[in-house]
Amino acid sequence: AQTVTQSQPEMSVQEAETVTLSCTYDTSESDYYLFWYKQPPSRQMILVIRQEAYKQQNATENRFSVNFQKAAKSFSLKISDSQLGDAAMYFCACLDEGAQKLVFGQGTRLTINP
Amino acid sequence: DARVTQTPRHKVTEMGQEVTMRCQPILGHNTVFWYRQTMMQGLELLAYFRNRAPLDDSGMPKDRFSAEMPDATLATLKIQPSEPRDSAVYFCASGLAGRAQYFGPGTRLTVL
Repeated sequence: AQTVTQSQPEMSVQEAETVTLSCTYDTSESDYYLFWYKQPPSRQMILVIRQEAYKQQNATENRFSVNFQKAAKSFSLKISDSQLGDAAMYFCACLDEGAQKLVFGQGTRLTINP
Repeated sequence: DARVTQTPRHKVTEMGQEVTMRCQPILGHNTVFWYRQTMMQGLELLAYFRNRAPLDDSGMPKDRFSAEMPDATLATLKIQPSEPRDSAVYFCASGLAGRAQYFGPGTRLTVL
């Protein structure tokens, strides 16, 4: 069974600075996908970034980038130039292509200090 | 801008009443998922469909919950009878097999 672990229940960062959220996962599958979702106070789950396991290059979306370490089963999210609107719960998730199930971590609450 | 829509956004009901939640997936997506989110359990997968066929509903209490896809544009999640412990935010998500899932805004259910 897949598991996803986010070891940081809460993180905070000063506006305009950089923060890294940690995520580790475990899967026996060779083909899988990894995602970061953002959930602001509105409760909407918003896809931030995705990574295909077979791609060595780390995914990047504007100020958001990942550090994908496949051997270590680590998938951290880096947010550069943090903005107040980045404040949210962030969930790491793994999609087992075979089972089609998204498995989520418990989330990290990110606070941005002005 | 294609989005998953869910209705109602909020629902308050009394214990024992039937609750039906509806979801319109993004056109062209062939997988639809129902999740429940609570403070205690986090995000739980209740059921999912591929090409309208139910693939897995093992996360769903069978005695009171049912999920259907009467057509490609509508998915429903029904609770009958509802109980206070069902109070949660219920999300619908859709996607293409093997790709990201896109979530709806959720239905906040309160069962008194």
